[in-house]
Amino acid sequence: KAGVTQTPRYLIKTRGQQVTLSCSPISGHRSVSWYQQTPGQGLQFLFEYFSETQRNKGNFPGRFSGRQFSNSRSEMNVSTLELGDSALYLCASSLFTGTGELFFGEGSRLTVL
Amino acid sequence: DQQVKQNSPSLSVQEGRISILNCDYTNSMFDYFLWYKKYPAEGPTFLISISSIKDKNEDGRFTVFLNKSAKHLSLHIVPSQPGDSAVYFCAYTNAGKSTFGDGTTLTVKP
Repeated sequence: KAGVTQTPRYLIKTRGQQVTLSCSPISGHRSVSWYQQTPGQGLQFLFEYFSETQRNKGNFPGRFSGRQFSNSRSEMNVSTLELGDSALYLCASSLFTGTGELFFGEGSRLTVL
Repeated sequence: DQQVKQNSPSLSVQEGRISILNCDYTNSMFDYFLWYKKYPAEGPTFLISISSIKDKNEDGRFTVFLNKSAKHLSLHIVPSQPGDSAVYFCAYTNAGKSTFGDGTTLTVKP
């Protein structure tokens, strides 16, 4: 069974640009969550989608947005990039049953110059 | 206000000894607590979980203890192995959302 796939794995942008990250969940998983990891900050919750609907949202500015498609694939977009947006962005999928265990992708490492 | 706190950023133990990683929480509304392990350049992977109605769960070398009165969670690894060296995150789930601590970096020395 294929795991969670995130693309691109690495990218470099400059301030003011925008970026789109993609996530393909494990087959059958309808819940997709996004997290931002920065050094010393743990995993900060961005948002969670289930069946194309955003059900939960973290405390991030409106420059961070996402969506989920009918095949459960998800994208997140960051507009008007700032230096502080440099981070590892992790996508996770789950069955949304039982423990709520998350299955993470390897992440997209974004560097903003 | 950080709802899940891992007060020790790092922990170093000798191979074969016990590793104890701790987690404190403020929100009593949770379904499960989970521990994840993360190696560099990889996403976190699930390690072990505990239901809010239990106080202990074991899986091989890993045991998680939940003290609801103290709002404290701990992960015991016995015996510790060099391959256990990683960042460990505790997290709770509630209504589909997972809230993570900042992580503890465990180093197991041969």
